Amino acid sequence: QSVLTQSPSVSGAPGQRVTISCTGSSSNIGAGYDVHWYQQLPGTAPKLLIYGTYNRPSGVPDRFSGSKSGTSASLAITGLQAEDEADYYCQSYDSSLGWVFGGGTKLTVL
Amino acid sequence: QVQLQESGPGLVKPSETLSLNCAVSGYSISSGYCWGWIRQPPGKGLEWIGSICQSGRTYYYPSLKSRVTISVDTSKNQFSLKLGSLTAADTAVYYCARQASQAGTTEWGTFDPWGQGTLVTVSS
Repeated sequence: QSVLTQSPSVSGAPGQRVTISCTGSSSNIGAGYDVHWYQQLPGTAPKLLIYGTYNRPSGVPDRFSGSKSGTSASLAITGLQAEDEADYYCQSYDSSLGWVFGGGTKLTVL
Repeated sequence: QVQLQESGPGLVKPSETLSLNCAVSGYSISSGYCWGWIRQPPGKGLEWIGSICQSGRTYYYPSLKSRVTISVDTSKNQFSLKLGSLTAADTAVYYCARQASQAGTTEWGTFDPWGQGTLVTVSS
């Protein structure tokens, strides 16, 4: 069981908006630690998508955005495109365990 | 452009020790950052194994700590992972990555970039 909980799957049609949630606890997200998000395309290594909960690295489209509230964080993707079909992982710091990841969410573009 | 490349055996026997190297190009490993290992069992999620930072200090995931050693070879600009007492549960794709080390910054802890990963199978 992952320390950060993500829904196993989410889907949406092209052009739609989807959100992926990441639920933690008072020892990680709720303690104020930032959340980072990664996109893993099939057969490839993860790629940094959002850092510091809200920030996009250079080259990441502004269709991707992050937010946080309490012990949870969310990744939103607007204007869904076929190329967004991938696995998405959240990451944060846990005061007892160190760096932790969510179990991952598989995004299917219908 | 910073690039990382893992190398090591693809098949290891149970109870043996896995040794993997991560060669870094485009950046001097002694110039800063932490350097980490992350693994992904087939069809499953990511698990942080541990990191080594510029100070030489190492940080390990608690459940793996007794079996893991991460070290740096600055002369070869690479860092290494040793994982002992292997079982089938250690079968995974192993990734190395550069990790932002400045606490208090928004980038702290991010893994970027990653190596392409190497599949390690534990089987007799």
